[in-house]
Amino acid sequence: SQTIHQWPATLVQPVGSPLSLECTVEGTSNPNLYWYRQAAGRGLQLLFYSVGIGQISSEVPQNLSASRPQDRQFILSSKKLLLSDSGFYLCAWSGTSGGGYEQYFGPGTRLTVT
Amino acid sequence: LAKTTQPISMDSYEGQEVNITCSHNNIATNDYITWYQQFPSQGPRFIIQGYKTKVTNEVASLFIPADRKSSTLSLPRVSLSDTAVYYCLVGVTYSGGYQKVTFGIGTKLQVIP
Repeated sequence: SQTIHQWPATLVQPVGSPLSLECTVEGTSNPNLYWYRQAAGRGLQLLFYSVGIGQISSEVPQNLSASRPQDRQFILSSKKLLLSDSGFYLCAWSGTSGGGYEQYFGPGTRLTVT
Repeated sequence: LAKTTQPISMDSYEGQEVNITCSHNNIATNDYITWYQQFPSQGPRFIIQGYKTKVTNEVASLFIPADRKSSTLSLPRVSLSDTAVYYCLVGVTYSGGYQKVTFGIGTKLQVIP
C-alpha cells in the first residue's frame, strides 16, 4: 500500500530564517506531487505541483520554492521566511494512470514563523 | 477553474442522513467533481468522485444532476466521528493524471449527540 510521509510535524522558525520541508511517498512510482498551504480557518492553497523529477510548476508567486530531486521526494524551501509563511503545509500525491486521480495527503507540517 | 459554492456550516443529529450541496455553475465538460473530508490538524481525505448521475461507495453517495451545475454529497446515518470539514472540488484531470483543483473553505459539519 502507498504511504506518504512529511517531516517535521511542527516547526517554529524566526523571520528571515531558511526553511526546508520534506515529503516522501512509498509504494508507488512516478506520482504527481503537490504542496499546499492552509492558513488558520481557511481552505487549501496550491503552491506547487510536479509531474516528474525536476519538473516543478508554481501556482502563486511567493518566497517559497520546491524541488523534486528523486521520483518520490518533494521538498519545499525558503531562503528567508516571512511572518505570512506561517500555516499548515500539506504534501499530496496522485496517481498517473488507471484511476480517478484523487489526491492522498500527508500528515502535514505546522509552521509558525515568529 | 470552476468556482464552487457550498454552505459554510451545517449541524446534524447523530443517526440522521446529511446532504451537503455544492454549486458549480461554470463546470467545464472535462471537469470531475470530488469531495474530501478534513479533520483538525490532518490532511484532507478523499471521500468520493464522480462525473455524472450517481456514485456510491462504502462511505457516501454523490448525486450529480444532468446539467452538472451542482452536486450533493450524502452521508448516511452520521456519527460524532463525522464531524469535520467537507470540501467540494471541481477540476480537470490532465493527461498523466495531474489534477488541478481549488479547495475553498469547505462546509464545517457538526454532528450533535
